[in-house]
Amino acid sequence: GNSVTQMEGPVTLSEEAFLTINCTYTATGYPSLFWYVQYPGEGLQLLLKATKADDKGSNKGFEATYRKETTSFHLEKGSVQVSDSAVYFCALGNTGFQKLVFGTGTRLLVSP
Amino acid sequence: EPEVTQTPSHQVTQMGQEVILRCVPISNHLYFYWYRQILGQKVEFLVSFYNNEISEKSEIFDDQFSVERPDGSNFTLKIRSTKLEDSAMYFCASSLNRQGAVSGTEAFFGQGTRLTVV
Repeated sequence: GNSVTQMEGPVTLSEEAFLTINCTYTATGYPSLFWYVQYPGEGLQLLLKATKADDKGSNKGFEATYRKETTSFHLEKGSVQVSDSAVYFCALGNTGFQKLVFGTGTRLLVSP
Repeated sequence: EPEVTQTPSHQVTQMGQEVILRCVPISNHLYFYWYRQILGQKVEFLVSFYNNEISEKSEIFDDQFSVERPDGSNFTLKIRSTKLEDSAMYFCASSLNRQGAVSGTEAFFGQGTRLTVV
């Protein structure tokens, strides 16, 4: 079945540090891949997405590249801010899917 | 910007009681979903709904759960007899098309309803 594996958190960084949150997946077919973010006290917000191999999703300085050969979709940001502190969820869905399959989430804590 | 709205934001209920969680999806969306997140755990799919019927459900979505679109704007999740283990954040989501369609349509999530069963 489909599954998503994320690195364990929390990830603790200082402001302006480089961020990588690893995500790998197992899926049949050609899934779409997503990163959602959950800020404290809020719901899930779509951060970025990629729908086919080698696509790069980007938003708010965050990037992730859909790597079919390594079945990965790692989230990166060159310089994190305190306001980026949140829980980040990697998710996938197959073509024509009805549901998203989420990873366990990775909490990011950024200190000034 | 259109958004998915959920009410209430927090509900406390006694074990065995019925609860109804309410959602107003984005107005032109056609697919509706419920997910839940038990504290500290992953977000889990419960059910999807299209054309006034359930199109897919998970094994979590047993006979204690039901969904309804009572009118043109609301989408509800009912839990008939709540258990302690139903305590979780429940997220409603909607999408214009099937997710993963050629256009890459994604789901938009509401803020969630935190259900606490005591």
